[in-house]
Amino acid sequence: QQQVKQSPQSLIVQKGGISIINCAYENTAFDYFPWYQQFPGKGPALLIAIRPDVSEKKEGRFTISFNKSAKQFSLHIMDSQPGDSATYFCAAGIIRDDKIIFGKGTRLHILP
Amino acid sequence: NAGVTQTPKFQVLKTGQSMTLQCAQDMNHNSMYWYRQDPGMGLRLIYYSASEGTTDKGEVPNGYNVSRLNKREFSLRLESAAPSQTSVYFCASSENRAGVRDEQFFGPGTRLTVL
Repeated sequence: QQQVKQSPQSLIVQKGGISIINCAYENTAFDYFPWYQQFPGKGPALLIAIRPDVSEKKEGRFTISFNKSAKQFSLHIMDSQPGDSATYFCAAGIIRDDKIIFGKGTRLHILP
Repeated sequence: NAGVTQTPKFQVLKTGQSMTLQCAQDMNHNSMYWYRQDPGMGLRLIYYSASEGTTDKGEVPNGYNVSRLNKREFSLRLESAAPSQTSVYFCASSENRAGVRDEQFFGPGTRLTVL
């Protein structure tokens, strides 16, 4: 049973364009939604995270949008750059718990 | 600070062989995790340790054992390796303060092939 569904599996965007990755969750007890970025040959690293009491969080070119009623959240990368080419994972967890559940990942390629 | 370190970086085993993957963190974190990453499957939790002296099963624990040796070290053992355990294994750690969801820091991974 997959608790966090991520789409698309892969994405190709022109340099300067907007990259959008979507995730949906099932467990309404989730109250923490991080995004991790992974470059080839490296471990994932936290990119940005949001809690459900806000609908949007922005850090530089990266924005998380959160829709609690639809149980969906998304990552937008504005002005996408070739250096953004990586695999992105959404995840969800419960603050009082010790673990998070990852989506299956999106491989993003930005064309120069 | 080295962060999270994993050894070895690469390993090839024959079916039935055993091995232990080592993980250490120097950030004084309470919680440690073992994940496996397979193409199209994302990161799946094998085992985790919320604090020194405790371990719990994750989503895919079968065929694995773990030991939280001390606060710094968390090892993953494959007693009898199978080709289905061919994967990239990541160790992670997190401070996990009470009431706070802290970031997980990942190691560089161990690429394991079972023939």
